[in-house]
Amino acid sequence: EVQLVESGGGLVQPGGSLRLSCAASGFTFSSYWMSWVRQAPGKGLEWVANIKQDGSEKYYVDSVKGRFTISRDNAKNSLYLQMNSLRAEDTAVYYCARARVQGVTWGQGTLVTVSS
Amino acid sequence: EIVLTQSPGTLSLSPGERATLSCRASQSVSSSYLAWYQQKPGQAPRLLIYGASSRATGIPDRFSGSGSGTDFTLTISRLEPEDFAVYYCQQYGSSSWTFGQGTKVEIK
Repeated sequence: EVQLVESGGGLVQPGGSLRLSCAASGFTFSSYWMSWVRQAPGKGLEWVANIKQDGSEKYYVDSVKGRFTISRDNAKNSLYLQMNSLRAEDTAVYYCARARVQGVTWGQGTLVTVSS
Repeated sequence: EIVLTQSPGTLSLSPGERATLSCRASQSVSSSYLAWYQQKPGQAPRLLIYGASSRATGIPDRFSGSGSGTDFTLTISRLEPEDFAVYYCQQYGSSSWTFGQGTKVEIK
């Protein structure tokens, strides 16, 4: 069974940093593009970043470029999101996701709250 | 960037009725990478349809998807009580993904 388990969320002050992790199991992690998607409270879904299987290509939504970094460790079956210079508008549930032609598989999400 | 526009924003219907949700893209989307999701409060999105028209595993056949190019449709043939939720379309065929803003299907 495919499982994606996010961790690392919490309360952080504006301007602070946080690192999210996603532990993957039940599939060959190194064979898939992986992504982060977020959802602010009461709002819709917003794609944040994608990373290629070997980490050689990374793409970001404009609002996080220069502040967030997506990375992966295929030996540990893990995906990461380093978030720096956090803003109130980054408050959201962050989902780890695996993409394939047959659709996207999601984790359960981890809540990030940016507030003083 | 491909913009996806969903309509209507809210659909008020009764159980047993048919629901038709629209997703329009600002430019052509590969049908292979157009998906629909259902989301209920406090839950992660649930994949319903991928490839514009293929049902995901375990999805009842009252859910169907159609369309190509820039116009896509999700149809729920007869609404069950558990179908009242928010629905999103998504394109995931490019290096950046986009989502529609969602359609809420509520009980009339």
